[in-house]
Amino acid sequence: DIQMTQSPSSLSASIGDRVTITCRASRTINRYLHWYQQRPGKAPNLLIYGASNLQSGVPSRFSGSGSGTDFTLTISDLQPEDFATYYCLQSYTNSRTFGQGTKVEIK
Amino acid sequence: EVQLVESGGGLVQPGGSLRLSCVASGFSLSDYWMSWVRQAPGKGLEWVANIKQDGSDKYYLDSVRGRFTISRDNAKNSLYLQANSLRAEDTAVYYCTRHYGDYVWFDPWGQGTLVIVSS
Repeated sequence: DIQMTQSPSSLSASIGDRVTITCRASRTINRYLHWYQQRPGKAPNLLIYGASNLQSGVPSRFSGSGSGTDFTLTISDLQPEDFATYYCLQSYTNSRTFGQGTKVEIK
Repeated sequence: EVQLVESGGGLVQPGGSLRLSCVASGFSLSDYWMSWVRQAPGKGLEWVANIKQDGSDKYYLDSVRGRFTISRDNAKNSLYLQANSLRAEDTAVYYCTRHYGDYVWFDPWGQGTLVIVSS
């Protein structure tokens, strides 16, 4: 199975900050990497698919990059509604795996 | 509107069984792979199982293989998860989700159904 290592597990940031979250796959997954935002008590919401494609309706301050084994989610100009937990997901293999999650908190 | 609605969760004793259901609307279930994903209280997301459009291929998380069975009824636009021999560590919100797109991401997701395994 492919392991996804996501870091950091949590971070504190201020409104307007630029935030970067990384995911590393235990072996190459091409661009089969997606990012989700989850608010407490809610289902995950798709932000980025195929490593760098912005889902329709998602603000442009969210961006993704990477391919192979190393991927990054960047939130520029952090807004109050962005305080949430973020997960990466690999879909390269039939057995899917998520990263452990990154909780973005208010500093 | 594309929507998934889960049901069937509840409180069950260790060793017991539950059948979770997920009804799709706004699209034809028969066109898509589908998955179940769970989230234990205060924990991260964990993929549980998936199933091909016609039900001919199925994959499971190691810890549920042999205890859980994923199935579908395309005529009813419904997905199921039969969970047997339940353990305390199976306690979680269970989401159904659709496989979508060239890179096969999960979207949309249902609202989830809570399974509590406790005596």
